[in-house]
Amino acid sequence: GENVEQHPSTLSVQEGDSAVIKCTYSDSASNYFPWYKQELGKRPQLIIDIRSNVGEKKDQRIAVTLNKTAKHFSLHITETQPEDSAVYFCAVRGYSTLTFGKGTMLLVSP
Amino acid sequence: GAVVSQHPSRVICKSGTSVKIECRSLDFQATTMFWYRQFPKQSLMLMATSNEGSKATYEQGVEKDKFLINHASLTLSTLTVTSAHPEDSSFYICSAGGSGTVSNQPQHFGDGTRLSIL
Repeated sequence: GENVEQHPSTLSVQEGDSAVIKCTYSDSASNYFPWYKQELGKRPQLIIDIRSNVGEKKDQRIAVTLNKTAKHFSLHITETQPEDSAVYFCAVRGYSTLTFGKGTMLLVSP
Repeated sequence: GAVVSQHPSRVICKSGTSVKIECRSLDFQATTMFWYRQFPKQSLMLMATSNEGSKATYEQGVEKDKFLINHASLTLSTLTVTSAHPEDSSFYICSAGGSGTVSNQPQHFGDGTRLSIL
């Protein structure tokens, strides 16, 4: 089955800095790569996603890049704010089920 | 956008009780829904795929007789934790979208159910 590795497990940045979270996957047939943000005790919320026919996608301060050859994709958050603090999960989908990374706890200090 | 409703949000009950959790897709029909379990500070682990009108597909290591799934309509799937024990205490989350008839939609999650077995 699919194997998803996510790094780092924790990330501390100062407000205004950029944050980058990386994921690698194993199944070259995977074609959909979403990122979810989960605040404590709440549901994961989709923040951005990318499909395999696209190399980069941006939505305001958030961007995702995908390298299909190397089988890795990254989440980039610019101008971080304290409210960006949460756990971020990458995920990979091949046929129908999502496989999640282990998560990155992002802490943005004022 | 797509909305998934899940309840109850919190259940506290005695060991041996069976607990039913409902998951509804509110503005789209979902032939497939997914049930996840999340332990504290861990990732989401897929338990089973719920298929409308047919048997659920369980992931390896998940007891199908322990976690009963029923997907009787295109908008409702239920998960029943039978004879729950303290080790079943966890955060259970359902999701829908991203497969079947709505494969072009992202997968959206319900609010989750925090189950505590005393």
